[in-house]
Amino acid sequence: QVTLKESGPVLVKPTETLTLTCTVSGFSLSNPRMGVSWIRQPPGKALEWVAHLFLEGQKSYSTSLKTRLTISQDTSKSQVVLTMTNMDPVDTATYYCARTSTTYYMDVWGKGTTVTVSS
Amino acid sequence: QSVLTQPPSVSAAPGQKVTISCSGSSSNIGSKYVSWYQQVPGTAPKLLIYDNEKRPSGIPDRFSGSKSGTSATLGITGLQTGDEADYYCGTWDTSLSGSVFGGGTKLTVL
Repeated sequence: QVTLKESGPVLVKPTETLTLTCTVSGFSLSNPRMGVSWIRQPPGKALEWVAHLFLEGQKSYSTSLKTRLTISQDTSKSQVVLTMTNMDPVDTATYYCARTSTTYYMDVWGKGTTVTVSS
Repeated sequence: QSVLTQPPSVSAAPGQKVTISCSGSSSNIGSKYVSWYQQVPGTAPKLLIYDNEKRPSGIPDRFSGSKSGTSATLGITGLQTGDEADYYCGTWDTSLSGSVFGGGTKLTVL
């Protein structure tokens, strides 16, 4: 059974750096046919793709967030880590990680983790 | 403003059929596969359709997907009250070099 689970802080202050971890099971991060995406959803708003990683060398970032993001993986721990710098209240959202195919559909999603940015 | 355009809401009676449109451009829908997701409020999105028209295991054939040019359509037949949810289309955009989603469509089963 494939599962993904997001973890990270519930509350961060403006200007701080957010670090989120996606722990996967049931599939390998070494599989070149599947990667992991991060998607976020502000309260009451639409889904917004943030970044994805297919093996260590294939990373893509949202154009609007690119300068603030880093995505990486620890294959030994089956984890994908997203860092977002200079957090702002507009970054308040539920952050999801999802297994992603090479045709870019997301077939298994984590339950999400809610992050609030406030002083 | 989402790259992909969906109607904000659709509604139909139980047992009826509804379609949800998703409009894009040559840099996304026109050249890439489309997927569709169902999101019941308070829960994570769920994959309904992938590669334009394929259904994952466990998704009933009441759900269907199609694509023509730069638009895609999700169809749902035999509407049930449990189908009330938000529906999102998604694809890859070659100009942005990133995945994109529509703004979402709220389905109400009257």
